[in-house]
This record gives sequence, structure tokens and C-alpha cells, in this order.
Amino acid sequence: GESVGLHLPTLSVQEGDNSIINCAYSNSASDYFIWYKQESGKGPQFIIDIRSNMDKRQGQRVTVLLNKTVKHLSLQIAATQPGDSAVYFCAENKGYSTLTFGKGTMLLVSP
Amino acid sequence: DAGVTQSPTHLIKTRGQHVTLRCSPISGHKSVSWYQQVLGQGPQFIFQYYEKEERGRGNFPDRFSARQFPNYSSELNVNALLLGDSALYLCASSYLQGNTEAFFGQGTRLTVV
Repeated sequence: GESVGLHLPTLSVQEGDNSIINCAYSNSASDYFIWYKQESGKGPQFIIDIRSNMDKRQGQRVTVLLNKTVKHLSLQIAATQPGDSAVYFCAENKGYSTLTFGKGTMLLVSP
Repeated sequence: DAGVTQSPTHLIKTRGQHVTLRCSPISGHKSVSWYQQVLGQGPQFIFQYYEKEERGRGNFPDRFSARQFPNYSSELNVNALLLGDSALYLCASSYLQGNTEAFFGQGTRLTVV
């Protein structure tokens, strides 16, 4: 069936390192792919999205890469900070703002 | 400006009871979606409403229902609660139906005992 999944459940990095969070998807018909950050006790927070016709998009300290050949999505966070510690979800947009989320990757940043 | 607000923040119910969760979208947003997030999982889509009409429904039983009011606020109702309904219920609002930048509320933590 259609799904969005993540390779690693937990990623531990040192403050200042670059972080890469990966995601695999199976629905080639999705229009958008979105990364969300969820801190404990809070709702998901939009980070960045990328259209299916793009390969790369950059934001502030974040870059999303889309490889449609292997159906892979990644989120790169530059100079990771303790405040980046959270669970990160990739999600795909199936039209009408319906989002399909993966299980999430927990990012732990140690000082 | 206020973000998406949900009430209550926490709720404890007994099996078989009914629950109503409320959501106020960001001012000017016309689309509201509901998601269920079980501990350790990603959110699962339940409903989407746009301009007071249901525009999408996820794979949830008929015990789950929702509606959107003229002021674009929304309610999620769950009947005959089961233990498995214990979860964080999230509301997301967006300006348009097809807008990818959905803004989430802090959620309602429902515990069914």
C-alpha cells in the first residue's frame, strides 16, 4: 500500500554538527512532501516543503532533497542546536491538504 | 495573532462514553483537518473540512464524526469510546483547501480508561 516511512527511529548528534534525517516514500503521485518538527507536548510545526517537480529546496539552516528515482526524501539541518531536539516527520500531500505522515525520527542533540 | 487553539488540552473518559473536541483555526483560515496521533506514531488523517463541507475522510469508523461551523471552527465527536481511542487529537488549519502549509494546534490528549 501507499506509505511514507523513515529509515532511522533515533539520531544522536553533537551540537554544531550537521544532521541528516531520511525518509522513503512509495506514492509517486504525491504533489508535495513536507517536513514537520514536533516537540514534546506540542503539535507538529511546519519546517519546509518541496514540490514533486523539484530536487532541492533551502530554508534557514535546513535543506530538503528529493530523489524521485529512488523515492527518497531527506532533511539536512546545518549547525544543529540543542533546540533542534525533537521528533521529525516527513509527510506527503495527497491533495486537499490531506497529509500522510511517517512514524518519525527522534533527533537528540547533545551539547 | 492567535494560532490554532484546541480545547480541552487533556481529557479522561470511560469506555463507552462520548467525547467532543473543539478547534478554532487561525483567523482567516477556511480549512480544518483532524488527525489522531497514537503515542510513538505519526499523525493519522481523520477528516478535512473546507467551507463547512466535508472534503476528506480517513480510514476511521463511523463512531468518529465532525462538523465545521460558519465561523470555521470545528468539532470532532467520538461515540462509544474504546481504549484504543486514547491518543493525541490534532487539529490543523490552512487558508485554502489545497494549501500545504497546515498549522497545527497543540492537540487534545484523550485518555480512555
